[in-house]
Amino acid sequence: DAKTTQPPSMDCAEGRAANLPCNHSTISGNEYVYWYRQIHSQGPQYIIHGLKNNETNEMASLIITEDRKSSTLILPHATLRDTAVYYCIVRSYSGNTPLVFGKGTRLSVIA
Amino acid sequence: EPEVTQTPSHQVTQMGQEVILRCVPISNHLYFYWYRQILGQKVEFLVSFYNNEISEKSEIFDDQFSVERPDGSNFTLKIRSTKLEDSAMYFCASSDRVPDTQYFGPGTRLTVL
Repeated sequence: DAKTTQPPSMDCAEGRAANLPCNHSTISGNEYVYWYRQIHSQGPQYIIHGLKNNETNEMASLIITEDRKSSTLILPHATLRDTAVYYCIVRSYSGNTPLVFGKGTRLSVIA
Repeated sequence: EPEVTQTPSHQVTQMGQEVILRCVPISNHLYFYWYRQILGQKVEFLVSFYNNEISEKSEIFDDQFSVERPDGSNFTLKIRSTKLEDSAMYFCASSDRVPDTQYFGPGTRLTVL
């Protein structure tokens, strides 16, 4: 089972920042937080991942709380093409562990 | 930008028939995965593969399933005798090391009639 809890759905106005929360209160010290998204029925798309520091790339920013029990994915300027299901996944740092997907958050970006 | 490709995009088959789903991972990647997603449900892990061996498999991956890397570029999933409940999207993924990011292909939609 997924070790994360996410709201089932969120709306965001186009051009505004989308902040997607994730709780992972049982995360272990050797586990990363990964974010993927799935647009319609396409293959999951990698967005970003982090261990304990905040991370930023060309797609998004990841803010991880100091106790690592929760995180927030930030899409700084959401567009209609960002409408998708967003998955927060906790994954062990060691070994070839599979990704365990939960139900994710369905983000709807509204014009 | 390199990407994972999958063929066919859609496969329709009769129950009891064998199907082979094909994937071409990113060229320098060494770790390969299959996942599936039944319509309206979560993405589920099936199997991981490295160095010509299965690394890990889920309880879904029973004796009806097999994987193979027949040459230096392809990675295949075979279902020997398809069942109605095998109807799903099948996604291939690859990564170049562990625990690195897995990159997914566009998927093959399998419909079993």
